[in-house]
Order: sequence, then C-alpha cells, then structure tokens
Amino acid sequence: QKEVEQDPGPLSVPEGAIVSLNCTYSNSAFQYFMWYRQYSRKGPELLMYTYSSGNKEDGRFTAQVDKSSKYISLFIRDSQPSDSATYLCAMSATRGYGQNFVFGPGTRLSVLP
Amino acid sequence: SQTIHQWPATLVQPVGSPLSLECTVEGTSNPNLYWYRQAAGRGLQLLFYSVGIGQISSEVPQNLSASRPQDRQFILSSKKLLLSDSGFYLCAWSVTGRAYEQYFGPGTRLTVT
Repeated sequence: QKEVEQDPGPLSVPEGAIVSLNCTYSNSAFQYFMWYRQYSRKGPELLMYTYSSGNKEDGRFTAQVDKSSKYISLFIRDSQPSDSATYLCAMSATRGYGQNFVFGPGTRLSVLP
Repeated sequence: SQTIHQWPATLVQPVGSPLSLECTVEGTSNPNLYWYRQAAGRGLQLLFYSVGIGQISSEVPQNLSASRPQDRQFILSSKKLLLSDSGFYLCAWSVTGRAYEQYFGPGTRLTVT
C-alpha cells in the first residue's frame, strides 16, 4: 500500500459544479495536511494547509480532514475553467521537514465551460 | 514579498554531460530550501533539502548533488547526466519550522538525450 493515494483522474466536470478531490493515507503520525494546485508546466501553488482534524475554508475552497478515517478532501464550489489543473495533496508528521513528509501523485481536474 | 527564481526554464542535454541548475529566493532570510523532481504524470520526489549555508540533506541516492553557497541560493548539479535524470526540477522554500508551507519556483524542464 502506498503511503498516500489519490485518484489520478482525469476528473471532468461542468462549470459551476462542486468538485471533491480526495486523498487517503496510511501513516497515523501525519498532523499537517496541504493542498497544492499545479497548472501544466508550472510549479505547484499552495492553496491551503490544515492542522489535525477539521475543516478550513478559503473562498471557494474547503479542506476537510478526517484523521479517524485517514482521509482528506478538498472541495471546490462553483468550479471555473480556471480551476483546471492537477491537485496535489501533501502530508507531514511534523512542523519542520522530516522523513514523514509525502506528496500524493495528484488528481488532474478539467472544468468544462 | 518573497520571490523564488529558477533557471534555466528549459534545458536539453546529452547523456554524460554536466548539469547545473540554480535557484534563488528573494525577500526572506535563512529559508529552508528544497529540490524536487517530478517525472511526467508522477508526484513530487524530494531530492535534497537545506536548513542553512553548506547544510545539505539527501533523500535518495542518485546521480545528483546539491550545494548552498549563499543563504538564498541553492544549486543542483551532476557530473554526468543519465537518461533517467530527465524530468521537471522544482525548487521550493519555506520558513524554518513551517515545512508544511512550501512555496515553489517555476521549475526547470530537463530533457537528457
């Protein structure tokens, strides 16, 4: 079992749809959970990070962490064509960099006008 | 505000040739610096990270090396490139103790022929 798994997609949705992107993980030591957006041929851009369980909202984006299920989600409301990108989750057991820092392989999202 | 630069943006090199990729950060002091490689359709693989001048930690044994000659400069090198070194190379920075909040550069796309 890989340490972090994401559905690779591609996931295609119509403009205005609610998108749910998910990651599952196996290491119960993870405490910090991040979501990055990566446009084609560009560097990843940090969208948001959360600590431990719970929800965090930023505009149209909501991150949700369920540590009991080892499952995290990113919801995008009112999706736009400009949201078309690859979304990477990342997780860390500590505040500083350590061995327990992992990126998921990414989910490619296409929002169709 | 902080800015991270990488160059060159694109590079095509023959097998056996040397490599030098450069990353610089502006607007911050004593950042933690990271080199990642991203193969086509794959997640991010951490290659090296640095917490200070001359301090380099390697995550995986490979044909590459890294150096940090100045506080905000991070260099990725190879003496002899292999075909398997092709990929998208990304530099990132974070504040010390906040590895969960990394900011990425635009990347260098390397093709070894």
